Amino acid sequence: DQQVKQNSPSLSVQEGRISILNCDYTNSMFDYFLWYKKYPAEGPTFLISISSIKDKNEDGRFTVFLNKSAKHLSLHIVPSQPGDSAVYFCAATPVGTYKYIFGTGTRLKVLA
Amino acid sequence: DAGITQSPRHKVTETGTPVTLRCHQTENHRYMYWYRQDPGHGLRLIHYSYGVKDTDKGEVSDGYSVSRSKTEDFLLTLESATSSQTSVYFCAISVGQSDQETQYFGPGTRLLVL
Repeated sequence: DQQVKQNSPSLSVQEGRISILNCDYTNSMFDYFLWYKKYPAEGPTFLISISSIKDKNEDGRFTVFLNKSAKHLSLHIVPSQPGDSAVYFCAATPVGTYKYIFGTGTRLKVLA
Repeated sequence: DAGITQSPRHKVTETGTPVTLRCHQTENHRYMYWYRQDPGHGLRLIHYSYGVKDTDKGEVSDGYSVSRSKTEDFLLTLESATSSQTSVYFCAISVGQSDQETQYFGPGTRLLVL
């Protein structure tokens, strides 16, 4: 039973345009969400997070949106750059458990 | 890089042999984790530790054991490796308070079981 789902295995976007990566979750106990980026042959690196008390968090070109009623979050990258090409994982956790559930990842390719 | 190292970085072994992977951190963080990453499955938690000698199972713990005899080291052991344990293994630490904590990952160990 996949509690965190990334239904798009891959996404291609033109440089300079917006990239939108989506993530759905099923467990209503999740109240803290994160996005990680992973390059080949490296460990995942933390990108941005959001608590369930917010519906938006922004950090430079990256914005995460949370829709609690739909159990859906999305990561927006604007403008997209070729260096953003990577696999993106979303993760969710109930606060205080220190245990994450990860999605299966979306491979983003930004075309120059 | 949050001061996390993993060794070895690459390992080829034969079915039935024991294998131990090491994770080392330099910053005395309490929580440490072992994940495996496989195509189509994302990152799955194998075991985690919340202190010296305090460990618990994750979602895919069968066939794996762990030990943490000191804060800085978290060992993952495959007692008798199987081909299904061919994977990339990542260690992670948790940093920050419970409502804003973040996990930081090591560089990974690529394991091939023949």
